[in-house]
Amino acid sequence: AQSVTQLDSHVSVSEGTPVLLRCNYSSSYSPSLFWYVQHPNKGLQLLLKYTSAATLVKGINGFEAEFKKSETSFHLTKPSAHMSDAAEYFCVVSDGSGNQFYFGTGTSLTVIP
Amino acid sequence: GAVVSQHPSWVICKSGTSVKIECRSLDFQATTMFWYRQFPKQSLMLMATSNEGSKATYEQGVEKDKFLINHASLTLSTLTVTSAHPEDSSFYICSALPPSRETQYFGPGTRLLVL
Repeated sequence: AQSVTQLDSHVSVSEGTPVLLRCNYSSSYSPSLFWYVQHPNKGLQLLLKYTSAATLVKGINGFEAEFKKSETSFHLTKPSAHMSDAAEYFCVVSDGSGNQFYFGTGTSLTVIP
Repeated sequence: GAVVSQHPSWVICKSGTSVKIECRSLDFQATTMFWYRQFPKQSLMLMATSNEGSKATYEQGVEKDKFLINHASLTLSTLTVTSAHPEDSSFYICSALPPSRETQYFGPGTRLLVL
């Protein structure tokens, strides 16, 4: 069985400060992990993904995430927040077969000018 | 690459009418597409898995006669909301799996308002 937990429903940061969005997962298999971003009234855009290659994954818009098997975590980070980063972020886990994808409940990121 | 489109992006209809939403993978073939529903401030709720050339697999609690899914080609899946009622108003999002089946690519969503 697989599941994913996003530990914070809301995160607020000041523009120019670091961003940390937390995600923990459980999986019976070697998981594939994804972060997606959703702006209001839009679909989901893939930020980055981990699929058993390098544990530190770099994505678009300066985001990166590190797969830590010992901690069952896949936290999303960015060194310096930009106003345009304000959005909803979803962590997703799958078994890599494409048959099941499990979504976290989402983290709403607010960036304060 | 990996672009998915949805049409229409917005639709308003009268109660009792049917609405068809199209999901297209524009630059890849997708044997599998997913249909989700999203309520305000909530995560995505999987409604059904659509496989090309076969019947869709519906999640528990989703009425298959209410939400008709057709996946007649490798680039197109359609969701028809039959006899729509105000409680069907929602944001509907599709996603498509390329042949690698590794990553979902999402459409931009369709907002349905039933009056």
